[in-house]
Amino acid sequence: DTGVSQNPRHKITKRGQNVTFRCDPISEHNRLYWYRQTLGQGPEFLTYFQNEAQLEKSRLLSDRFSAERPKGSFSTLEIQRTEQGDSAMYLCASRPRQGKRYEQYFGPGTRLTVT
Amino acid sequence: GQQLNQSPQSMFIQEGEDVSMNCTSSSIFNTWLWYKQDPGEGPVLLIALYKAGELTSNGRLTAQFGITRKDSFLNISASIPSDVGIYFCAGQLWDDKLIFGTGTRLQVFP
Repeated sequence: DTGVSQNPRHKITKRGQNVTFRCDPISEHNRLYWYRQTLGQGPEFLTYFQNEAQLEKSRLLSDRFSAERPKGSFSTLEIQRTEQGDSAMYLCASRPRQGKRYEQYFGPGTRLTVT
Repeated sequence: GQQLNQSPQSMFIQEGEDVSMNCTSSSIFNTWLWYKQDPGEGPVLLIALYKAGELTSNGRLTAQFGITRKDSFLNISASIPSDVGIYFCAGQLWDDKLIFGTGTRLQVFP
């Protein structure tokens, strides 16, 4: 089983530019989560999908953020008109379809730096 | 956003020593998870706990789900240099998003 993968691993962008990140979950995992982690803090929930349906969005997810999971496999997170406060590590996690075990497995993250 | 309280914030110990850390919440959870994170990487799952009072081991790691469902504990025995990293607890209510702790940074000296 390959793990959760995220691309790119690092992104440096200028304020005002749009960026898009991709997450490929573990095969057959039906739930996919996005979290954001700033320096010295634990990850904070942004949004999650069950298959292609986006079921919950955090208040942290402003109108400039949009996430999609069009075919229920990989997901993208887009940030429009980036601001310096968007600089953070963006983490993706996935969870297996079966059973009552709610363990989430994380990818390596995409570190965004907005200059 | 909401973050759980973890203590201690950081620990500096000698190789071979045992380590204890804990996590507390004002809310109850159905699941407690413990993760380890290395710099520049994503969190790696160490232990998952599903029942109040449950004690679960994974090698040198032992974690407990507090009976009030508002806390959890992680112990590492006989620490080694590769135990260095940041340890996060995470609480979960049913099949829901994770609420993470503030982290415990562990340094191990030879």
